[in-house]
Amino acid sequence: QSVLTQPPSASGTPGQRVTIYCSGSSSNIGKNNVCWYQQLPGTAPKLLVYGNNQRPAGVPDRFSGSKSGTSASLAISGLRSEDEGEYFCAVWDDSQSGVVFGGGTQLTVL
Amino acid sequence: EVQLVESGGGLVQPGGSLTLSCAASGFTFSSYWMHWVRQVPGKGLAWVSRINPDGSTTTYADSVKGRFSISRDNAKNTLFLQMNSLRAEDTAVYYCVRSLLGKDDYWGQGTLVPVSS
Repeated sequence: QSVLTQPPSASGTPGQRVTIYCSGSSSNIGKNNVCWYQQLPGTAPKLLVYGNNQRPAGVPDRFSGSKSGTSASLAISGLRSEDEGEYFCAVWDDSQSGVVFGGGTQLTVL
Repeated sequence: EVQLVESGGGLVQPGGSLTLSCAASGFTFSSYWMHWVRQVPGKGLAWVSRINPDGSTTTYADSVKGRFSISRDNAKNTLFLQMNSLRAEDTAVYYCVRSLLGKDDYWGQGTLVPVSS
């Protein structure tokens, strides 16, 4: 069982907005900044959001992150077929003294 | 161009040892925290270990503490993971990661370590 809880799957049609949620606790999301990763089939994870809501250079503004209390979310607007893949949240956990990940959400573009 | 290239993976028997390497290029290796993260094929991600820029501070996940050792050679721009007493549950793709969780976060392509008799 992952320390951070994500829904196993999400879906949407092209052009739609989809939101993926990540639930944690006071020792991780409640205290530290959340990151989101995209993993396309057969590739390594790629950083989409850091610092709860910051995008690295090159990441489209269709991707946006937010955090409230012990939960975080990743919103993807203007959904495209190439967005299909797995999405993970991650954060430092003070209790475990390590990085913890969500179990991942498989996004399907219908 | 930033590059992280892992090597050293391969089939190992339970109880055996293996050392992974990660060759870094395209950035000032000695300025960054480096991490190892693993992923069982088809499953989620799990953080393994981290090391600070000068190699003086290391941290490990409880699942590998006492069995794995992270180190670095800043002169050769290389990160290592020495893995001992390997178990079937250590089977995974191992990724070398620069500055995990930070804006300079960057992942290598990974190396597969199957642990099986």
